[in-house]
Amino acid sequence: QSGLTQPASVSGSPGQSITIPCTGTSSDVGTYNFVSWYQQHPGKAPKVIIYEVSQRPSGVSNRFSGSKSGNTASLTISGLQAEDEADYICCSYGSASTLVFGGGTKLTVL
Amino acid sequence: QVQLQESGPGLVKPSQTLSLTCSVSGDSISSGSHYWTWIRQPAGMGLEWIGRIYVSGSTNSSPSLRSRVTISLSTSKNQFSLELRSVTAADTALYYCARMTMSGGVPDYFDYWGLGILVTVSS
Repeated sequence: QSGLTQPASVSGSPGQSITIPCTGTSSDVGTYNFVSWYQQHPGKAPKVIIYEVSQRPSGVSNRFSGSKSGNTASLTISGLQAEDEADYICCSYGSASTLVFGGGTKLTVL
Repeated sequence: QVQLQESGPGLVKPSQTLSLTCSVSGDSISSGSHYWTWIRQPAGMGLEWIGRIYVSGSTNSSPSLRSRVTISLSTSKNQFSLELRSVTAADTALYYCARMTMSGGVPDYFDYWGLGILVTVSS
């Protein structure tokens, strides 16, 4: 099972919105609604910001939203803030009860 | 407050076995409400799922690592462990343990993580 595909980097200005795609296959993202997204600041452990494609854990800003279409899940961050600069990593449940991560996307807030 | 903490050697020789333990506080592994997992991250690279264990002892692991991985748990110590055999330099990484929620028995998302432990494979 190959990893999920994410762009290496994205950027945006404060106040703007950005979207990070996460492309899998019919064996993971395309079939299961167990896609989660993690925010990782340098030197820190990842933190969940979206689970089950579009659900936000308690305490996570509503500026973060998730969606899915076919084999591609997406994370959208609206009203970009400097503190959003971090790596964003997707994860999906897959066939044979395995889990697969994306390679991660580095967000730069200009 | 749930906390996880990895422990083990920071340096392992090639061909030997990497052994790590994750100590859990603030939750009981025996509760049966979560999966207990291992994840690693080579420097400057993405996350890689290694495997998970449930209180029943049932395990699952990444197909790419399955032949070298053993995950076990100790309910009396509230710990779970990772063994990775026949290591090479490619196994050098930051190793995390994490708690994973479940929905209808299906692994859902990682809600608590340890701080990670750096393991270097070198002679």
